[in-house]
Amino acid sequence: QVHLMQSGAEVKKPGASVKVSCKASGYTFTGYYIHWVRQAPGQGPEWMGRINPDSSATNYAERFQGRVTMTRDTSISTAYMELSRLIFDDTAVYYCARVKVGTSPFDYWGQGTLVTVSS
Amino acid sequence: QSALTQPASVSGSPGQSITISCTGTSSDVGYYNYVSWYQQHPGKAPKLMIYDVSNRPSGVSNRFSGSKSGNTASLTISGLQAEDEADYYCTSYTSSDTLVFGGGTKLTVL
Repeated sequence: QVHLMQSGAEVKKPGASVKVSCKASGYTFTGYYIHWVRQAPGQGPEWMGRINPDSSATNYAERFQGRVTMTRDTSISTAYMELSRLIFDDTAVYYCARVKVGTSPFDYWGQGTLVTVSS
Repeated sequence: QSALTQPASVSGSPGQSITISCTGTSSDVGYYNYVSWYQQHPGKAPKLMIYDVSNRPSGVSNRFSGSKSGNTASLTISGLQAEDEADYYCTSYTSSDTLVFGGGTKLTVL
């Protein structure tokens, strides 16, 4: 069965970076895009970007350009999302989600990773 | 890219029908037929309810239906049930190869 397992909760100081992992199982990792979505407390989800695990090509939301980096390691079927220069407003649950082709919907989601930015 | 516009809240009694709108622009909702709807219960990841404007994934009740006209998509839930109470979000792919979410609608079943 398809499963996306994310890394555990993180607490970071402002200005630091955080790297969240998303390990895929139950399907061919390179056959599906991985998107990253975050949801701040009490807010709606916000799309951050996506990576094509086959080619490593990425596409980021404009507001995260220059601050987010999405990578993957096909040998361990894992995608990563690193967000740098953290601010308090980056406190959110970060999700990875799977998409079959470029414009397909999210069919499976990770369990979410809470990132707290606190001084 | 601005968020798609949804009403903050809607409500209905059990058995009734409700419709949630999702308004975008000619660069997103109006550009493609790639609008999806997700249901989210507190503390849970979103669940896909409708994709490509009006298609239901396997396992989703046929009480859920979707449509689109111009730059506005809609989600209709008929025969409201208590378990339908949740937050609902629309998404759309955009002409610039990105994705945008709606601001979300809280559905209350009275």
